[in-house]
Formats: sequence, C-alpha cells, structure tokens
Amino acid sequence: AAGVIQSPRHLIKEKRETATLKCYPIPRHDTVYWYQQGPGQDPQFLISFYEKMQSDKGSIPDRFSAQQFSDYHSELNMSSLELGDSALYFCASSVLTDTQYFGPGTRLTVL
Amino acid sequence: AQTVTQSQPEMSVQEAETVTLSCTYDTSESDYYLFWYKQPPSRQMILVIRQEAYKQQNATENRFSVNFQKAAKSFSLKISDSQLGDAAMYFCASHVYNQGGKLIFGQGTELSVKP
Repeated sequence: AAGVIQSPRHLIKEKRETATLKCYPIPRHDTVYWYQQGPGQDPQFLISFYEKMQSDKGSIPDRFSAQQFSDYHSELNMSSLELGDSALYFCASSVLTDTQYFGPGTRLTVL
Repeated sequence: AQTVTQSQPEMSVQEAETVTLSCTYDTSESDYYLFWYKQPPSRQMILVIRQEAYKQQNATENRFSVNFQKAAKSFSLKISDSQLGDAAMYFCASHVYNQGGKLIFGQGTELSVKP
C-alpha cells in the first residue's frame, strides 16, 4: 500500500539559511499534519491542512510557514534557521481527522 | 487542554513473555480517539492500534491489545508473546475528532526485549 512520502530524508543547513520540506500524502487522503520531534522528545504538532486550507495551528514559530497545494502535497518552509530547529520533522496524512499515518520523517541538522 | 501521560520511561520484557505499557489521559471531550504508535530505531512512527472512545470493546490487533478504562481515563497496551522486533519507543496519543484532529502524545516508553 502507498505510504506518506517525505523529501528530503536528510537536510543539513547553516544558521540563518532557509529550508523547504515536502510531504506527499497517501492517495485520497485530504488532511496533512506536520510535527516536530526534538532529540529524546515526543512529537509536537506544528500545523495542519484540510482540503488546502489551514485547519489548526500549534507551536509553530513565525519563521515557519506551510501550505497545501491543489494536488494535496504540502510544503513546510523554514527561514532564518536556528540551532534549535535541528529535529526530525514528520508529516502525517489522514482522511478527514481520522487515523493519521506518518511519513518516514526529514532529519534536519542546523550547523 | 488535552494531556497524555506515560509514567514508565523504560520497560523490559523477556522474549515470548507479556508486557503492559501504561497510559493515562485527560480530556473534557466526549468524542475522541486513542492510539499507540511504535517508533523503532529507524525513527519511523508506526501505528500499532487505535480505540474509539465510544466503543466499549477493547481493540485488538494480533499480539497487541488495549485495556481501555474510560471512566478512569486509562489506556494501556498489552503485548503478548513479545518478539525482538517489538523493541522500540512506544507513544500513547489522543486526538479529538472534531477539533482538527491533531495528536497529543505522551512522553513515550522505551521497551527493550531480552532474548
């Protein structure tokens, strides 16, 4: 069965640079969620989209923005990167707000 | 606000034995789901089992089952016939169906399986 696809899988950036993370949900899933997992921590909700509209917002820094496109893929844009942004970023998808299935994650390292 | 608490940072089980991971949650909502996710060393988040709050029957998926005590707001995971591949971090999570569906995770329980 098709799963959630995230790219890139690994990303290394310098402080103050910009990063773009991409997420391709499971086909026919209409809702996308973004989570951030720091080392030794549980995942923290950042933002979600339903049918291309933002549906909920969590503890997402103002330096981050995201959107969902007409083909339902989503992108998380991160600017002015800080050392503390180093984390594993997960995308998850679902039908409406039903069970979420996670992608493999993007490991972001900020040097 | 919703909260999820896992009070066991680490657990250990002998291969082929049974282990129970604990989770408590707090919500004022009546319509919600509860989940257990497994995160092996690969860091992939894998759905193990889910429980709808309106269902009284405990969910079961092969060797995995839950003990859902709604009044006590308790949601424990039982793993029977433990296998080496069960070694992972296990996260309990909840979401409210009609409030965007974001997941609230517990702190996680690291399960090790001894051969």
